[in-house]
Amino acid sequence: GAGVSQSPRYKVAKRGQDVALRCDPISGHVSLFWYQQALGQGPEFLTYFQNEAQLDKSGLPSDRFFAERPEGSVSTLKIQRTQQEDSAVYLCASSQDFAYNEQFFGPGTRLTVL
Amino acid sequence: SQELEQSPQSLIVQEGKNLTINCTSSKTLYGLYWYKQKYGEGLIFLMMLQKGGEEKSHEKITAKLDEKKQQSSLHITASQPSHAGIYLCGADLVAAGNKLTFGGGTRVLVKP
Repeated sequence: GAGVSQSPRYKVAKRGQDVALRCDPISGHVSLFWYQQALGQGPEFLTYFQNEAQLDKSGLPSDRFFAERPEGSVSTLKIQRTQQEDSAVYLCASSQDFAYNEQFFGPGTRLTVL
Repeated sequence: SQELEQSPQSLIVQEGKNLTINCTSSKTLYGLYWYKQKYGEGLIFLMMLQKGGEEKSHEKITAKLDEKKQQSSLHITASQPSHAGIYLCGADLVAAGNKLTFGGGTRVLVKP
C-alpha cells in the first residue's frame, strides 16, 4: 500500500499480558517513529529509528516497553506485562529523510487493557 | 504537552464563518507542523513552517509562524463541515529535526 499501515487496529489485553504492535512504514522511508496518544490528548513521543538503529528511546515510559526494527523496515512495539495505564492509541509514523520532513502517520492501534 | 499549548481546546463555528487556532511555546519552534485528525484515524499532514514570519496557505487554510518562532496560528476561512476534526500542532523543540512534541489538540465542530 501507499501509506503507513499498522496491525492490529484494535487490541484488547488482560492486565499482565504481553502485546506486540506492528508498523509497516512507507517503502524506502528511513525514519520511523512511535507515539502514544491517550484519550483526549495529543500524541507523545516514544521512540525513533533511523533505518535499523534506535537513536532515541527517551519517551518509552518504562522498561516494559521495547521497540525494534531489525531490518530497517517493519517495526514492532512490544509491551510486556500490560497495565491499565497502557491503554491508549499507539501511532506509528515514517518519514523519508532524517530531518524536517513530513511524518506520515498510520491509523494507529487502539490498545485496551482490562 | 505543557511545552506546547493549544487554544482553544474546542470550538463550534457556524458553517461559512472563519476560525483561528493558536499554538504557543516558551521554547523556540524549530519546525512547526499542523496535522488534522478524525476520530479513530491517524494524523493527516496539513503544513510545515520553519522560518520566522513564514506563512503558508492551502485551499482555505492558512498557517503562520511568528517572527520569534514561539507561536503559530492556523486560520480557516469560510469553514465547511469537512473542516470538522481535531487539529494538532507538533513541533521540534530541540532542533533535532525528528521527534515532535504535540499540543493537546483543538476539537472543531462546524454547524451546518
